[in-house]
Amino acid sequence: RKEVEQDPGPFNVPEGATVAFNCTYSNSASQSFFWYRQDCRKEPKLLMSVYSSGNEDGRFTAQLNRASQYISLLIRDSKLSDSATYLCVVIDGGSYQLTFGKGTKLSVIP
Amino acid sequence: DAGVIQSPRHEVTEMGQEVTLRCKPISGHDYLFWYRQTMMRGLELLIYFNNNVPIDDSGMPEDRFSAKMPNASFSTLKIQPSEPRDSAVYFCASSLTGTSGYQETQYFGPGTRLLVL
Repeated sequence: RKEVEQDPGPFNVPEGATVAFNCTYSNSASQSFFWYRQDCRKEPKLLMSVYSSGNEDGRFTAQLNRASQYISLLIRDSKLSDSATYLCVVIDGGSYQLTFGKGTKLSVIP
Repeated sequence: DAGVIQSPRHEVTEMGQEVTLRCKPISGHDYLFWYRQTMMRGLELLIYFNNNVPIDDSGMPEDRFSAKMPNASFSTLKIQPSEPRDSAVYFCASSLTGTSGYQETQYFGPGTRLLVL
């Protein structure tokens, strides 16, 4: 069974803090990786793709470690609006199927 | 540009009744997915279609669940008969095959909140 594991949290951090989430995957043939964000009672939305070389988008940095089979998301200078659940997504290289982690809940506190 | 459209947004029904959820994917997308989300199990893939053809339905929980995609712009997920444990949020998503041959971003609809009493 192909697994994508995340710490469910919640991570409660003050505004301005830096917070990092990890996500591990079991299928070494996984091809593509993403972070999605889901606000309460809303649908998941793509936050960013995760490239082998790592990538940054403003306050957000995503990294991939293929050897250890995990991806990470770093959020700097946390804002109240960052409060959400962050879902790790892995695409199987063979079936093209997406597998979602159960998400990590982040609460940014004033 | 309209995103993925789902209806109804909310459904309350009694155990044993038939429930039909509807989805209109983004125009031009060749993949369509049905997911179910609960607190306990997270987001689960039920079934997905490529070019209107069901590719993998291994996530469909039981024979009470069925899905169809009669054309590129419409899909249904049917539960008959419904049971209280089917209560969840059901999302439809669509995506496009990129030039690499892999799926690009999946876009989710707003979901249907189903409560079976």
